[in-house]
Parts: sequence; C-alpha cells; structure tokens
Amino acid sequence: ETGVTQTPRHLVMGMTNKKSLKCEQHLGHNAMYWYKQSAKKPLELMFVYSLEERVENNSVPSRFSPECPNSSHLFLHLHTLQPEDSALYLCASSQDRFDGLMNTEAFFGQGTRLTVV
Amino acid sequence: QKEVEQDPGPLSVPEGAIVSLNCTYSNSAFQYFMWYRQYSRKGPELLMYTYSSGNKEDGRFTAQVDKSSKYISLFIRDSQPSDSATYLCAMSGHTDKLIFGTGTRLQVFP
Repeated sequence: ETGVTQTPRHLVMGMTNKKSLKCEQHLGHNAMYWYKQSAKKPLELMFVYSLEERVENNSVPSRFSPECPNSSHLFLHLHTLQPEDSALYLCASSQDRFDGLMNTEAFFGQGTRLTVV
Repeated sequence: QKEVEQDPGPLSVPEGAIVSLNCTYSNSAFQYFMWYRQYSRKGPELLMYTYSSGNKEDGRFTAQVDKSSKYISLFIRDSQPSDSATYLCAMSGHTDKLIFGTGTRLQVFP
C-alpha cells in the first residue's frame, strides 16, 4: 500500500456517459498528478496540481476535466469519451512538484482500468 | 526520435539469472534517473534512483548511468520469480517533467 488510493479500480462506460475517477493520498504531499498508461506507450502526464492549483495541463482534451478540492483529493471527471481513451489512469503524489533541482519521489496509486464502449 | 527508448520485451529468464534492463535517452539535460517496478494490476513503485553518472547498489539491484553514452541500466542479480513485473525507466532534468520509457516486461520462470 503506497498511501495513494484510487477508486474505482475498474470502470466501463459508454461514450455518452459521465463518470468521475477519485484519488486520495494520505501522505501529506503537496503535488498530485494524473497519468494515462496505454499498452506499449510511455506513461503520459495529463495534469499536475501543486498546493491545489493546476500548474500544468499537458494538451489534454476537454472531455477530461480535473478537480482538486484540497491537497488530499484529486478527481478526474470524464464525459463523452472515445474508445481510444480506454487505458489505465494513474494518480500519483509527491512531497513537492518536480522542479528539476531535486529528486522528488512519486508515489502511485493502483490505477483505474477504464474501458470506453 | 523519442526522448526515452526502452525495449518493451518481454524478457524471459530462468530463476537465478542476471537480468540487464536498459534505456537510452536523447536529452543531455536529464540528471535524475529512476527505475520503477510495476506488478500486474498495480501502480508503479520506485525501485531505485540515481543522480548524474555512476552506480548505485541496493541488495540484488544495481543501477548504472552513463551520461556520456546517454544510457542507463538496471541489473538484477539472482533473479526470482517474484521479480516478474514491468520495469519502467524514468528521468528528469531542468524541468518539472518526469519522462518515462515504455517499460520492459520481465518474466522469471522457476
């Protein structure tokens, strides 16, 4: 158990549905991230939050909408997704946001396996 | 050219073998190098990290960085079936981005 909990573990949704992914960290970290992991592709950074403020949106389509109500919780709201959005969505947290000056270990949750039908 | 290249495998070895996992990269600004291990149906977990060039050893695991060749390696000695997982290299430099490889799937059979 890494201290980062994601729910649900599995989600199947239709293209017209609206659903949300939830992430909770119990580590007292200041930065939280959403990553997308597709087969045979590198982890793709989607969003970065630092102290509850979105600091990066990595050219993610607007059908993905993040929300960070406090430093312990992160949501990813999904609507009108496409089949190619099917992937493992990983939440991660770190003590502080990566700044290139010091190594900051990222702790990952177990992910939500999303299937869009 | 991808910033980080990693052979996806799968790599299948017998128990007790020495395993060598590798990544190459193109960005000379990278200075932090990490290896994550990801078991099936789990999120990645940090296994080792090194700063700049050199070696780092932790039990059966040794991480090597050769910045002149832009090449990093992870060696696993006396491999065990419990080492079967996907190994992801990751690196960062003077930005706030952590760049991952595609991961190498390793299977250690008894």
